[in-house]
Amino acid sequence: SQQGEEDPQALSIQEGENATMNCSYKTSINNLQWYRQNSGRGLVHLILIRSNEREKHSGRLRVTLDTSKKSSSLLITASRAADTASYFCAESGGSNYKLTFGKGTLLTVNP
Amino acid sequence: NAGVMQNPRHLVRRRGQEARLRCSPMKGHSHVYWYRQLPEEGLKFMVYLQKENIIDESGMPKERFSAEFPKEGPSILRIQQVVRGDSAAYFCASSPPLRGNTEAFFGQGTRLTVV
Repeated sequence: SQQGEEDPQALSIQEGENATMNCSYKTSINNLQWYRQNSGRGLVHLILIRSNEREKHSGRLRVTLDTSKKSSSLLITASRAADTASYFCAESGGSNYKLTFGKGTLLTVNP
Repeated sequence: NAGVMQNPRHLVRRRGQEARLRCSPMKGHSHVYWYRQLPEEGLKFMVYLQKENIIDESGMPKERFSAEFPKEGPSILRIQQVVRGDSAAYFCASSPPLRGNTEAFFGQGTRLTVV
């Protein structure tokens, strides 16, 4: 499978519910980053978690990292319609600069 | 502090023409990266540049594509003799000098359409 692969590919929830997206990767990483992309727009950096960290919070976002399973998850709590977007994980491997992106999870939050 | 600026936002070219995409990094950032995003896909790394140097171009197609980041002015991604398959969104990112785990800031992208 492709590195930095997100799961599920698409997720539809109701406003107020929590959304969880998962990401798997193959090689050793320096860090893993999550980005959001609104339709037809650029990428917005959400959060970076280092390889020696297990969990990180930023507002309504919670990211976990399990290096033994080579996986990460992004949890968005109390979702809003404005959270509708594609979410990508990107891993930074040994190069420390080259980000490898997955295909993303398309999140739809219905009002 | 303005973000990463890319222009044009949209570019239409006929097959065989040249496309020039520009990227001005954030102030204080000396590292620039170009990524390409095909429809329904994630971003794919193309090239990493510092001022007047190409550090890693392992993601660049071998022919027709080139990139530069001159001492003065924006970084340029140049695509010669464009073909339909070059239609994509091209994103530029910049970062300060790398010191461990560094976040990259992305521009809004240039959407190239080859007709």
